[in-house]
Amino acid sequence: GNSVTQMEGPVTLSEEAFLTINCTYTATGYPSLFWYVQYPGEGLQLLLKATKADDKGSNKGFEATYRKETTSFHLEKGSVQVSDSAVYFCALNQAGTALIFGKGTTLSVSS
Amino acid sequence: EPEVTQTPSHQVTQMGQEVILRCVPISNHLYFYWYRQILGQKVEFLVSFYNNEISEKSEIFDDQFSVERPDGSNFTLKIRSTKLEDSAMYFCASRELAGTVNEQFFGPGTRLTVL
Repeated sequence: GNSVTQMEGPVTLSEEAFLTINCTYTATGYPSLFWYVQYPGEGLQLLLKATKADDKGSNKGFEATYRKETTSFHLEKGSVQVSDSAVYFCALNQAGTALIFGKGTTLSVSS
Repeated sequence: EPEVTQTPSHQVTQMGQEVILRCVPISNHLYFYWYRQILGQKVEFLVSFYNNEISEKSEIFDDQFSVERPDGSNFTLKIRSTKLEDSAMYFCASRELAGTVNEQFFGPGTRLTVL
């Protein structure tokens, strides 16, 4: 069945460091791919998405590219801020069905 | 900005008791979902609901669980006889029928603790 694998956390960075959170997936067909973020005490918020191969999703300085050849959707940001500290979830779905999530990666950024 | 709300934020119950978790989806949304996250594990899909009936459910969603849209604004998840392993964060989500397809909007979650 479909599944999502994320790198284990926590990830601890200094402000302005480069961020990569790896995500790979297993799916039949052509899923849509998402990154959700959860700030402390809040719900899951959609950060970015990509719906077909080679699409690049971007938002708030974060980017991820849908790579079908490597079945990956790695999240990157060139310069993280303390306010980016949160839990990041990679997810997929197909044709509007339920989202399948990775385990989440906790990011902690210090000044 | 419209948002999904959930109550209570934290529910503590005794094993074997019934609990009802409540959600108010975004008002023009037509698809509704429940997910849960056991501490340290993945966010897992439980059930989706459309047009007053269940459209999809996972293996987790057994006979102990039920969902209802009692009054056109609330969307509830009932667990009839809670078990210790039901302790988790429960998230409600909703999405529009059309427009930004596939984007689900999540509530802040209800933390359920079963003692």
